[in-house]
Amino acid sequence: GAGVSQSPSNKVTEKGKDVELRCDPISGHTALYWYRQSLGQGLEFLIYFQGNSAPDKSGLPSDRFSAERTGGSVSTLTIQRTQQEDSAVYLCASSPRLAGTPRDTQYFGPGTRLTVL
Amino acid sequence: GDSVTQMEGPVTLSEEAFLTINCTYTATGYPSLFWYVQYPGEGLQLLLKATKADDKGSNKGFEATYRKETTSFHLEKGSVQVSDSAVYFCALRGNTPLVFGKGTRLSVIA
Repeated sequence: GAGVSQSPSNKVTEKGKDVELRCDPISGHTALYWYRQSLGQGLEFLIYFQGNSAPDKSGLPSDRFSAERTGGSVSTLTIQRTQQEDSAVYLCASSPRLAGTPRDTQYFGPGTRLTVL
Repeated sequence: GDSVTQMEGPVTLSEEAFLTINCTYTATGYPSLFWYVQYPGEGLQLLLKATKADDKGSNKGFEATYRKETTSFHLEKGSVQVSDSAVYFCALRGNTPLVFGKGTRLSVIA
């Protein structure tokens, strides 16, 4: 079946602009996660959504970052007033199980490479 | 908080050599443990997992055993191939979303 998809695959933007990154999870997966992969920082958790519950935003690095998930499916990560340090690969993952249970397995999309000039 | 420490790379091996990538963790409770692999130009893929102590995860000739007494989940493969060249990430899942190690780049040369 189809895996997690993300768009765009690459995004180049100018400092100060806003960007939106999209994630389409695997159909039927209840949990959706955003991570950031940058040089020197490894993989960092940003935010996750579980069903209709309020999202866990504890990993968002600043209030310029926000995310929403519409209809329990597609998610959009928005970065406002981008900075050069936002340059990274943004990864989305989905999981078929309830987040917070130790046995869930996350399936990752190919990522969006963001470059802020 | 939860954390994962894995050996720093890069690791360069000849084809058919034995591979070990060390991974240790700190966590409360009983986390699940994972190895993810990222091939050049591709996204993260789950390689194997183990959900309780003494479980052994295996896939594509790779193995890792969940050792609670040493809080370790070392990745091993008896004979690596050029196609195994990738970055390998150890991760744990407890009461928080996945916590990753910094990754180990493996290069296998013919």
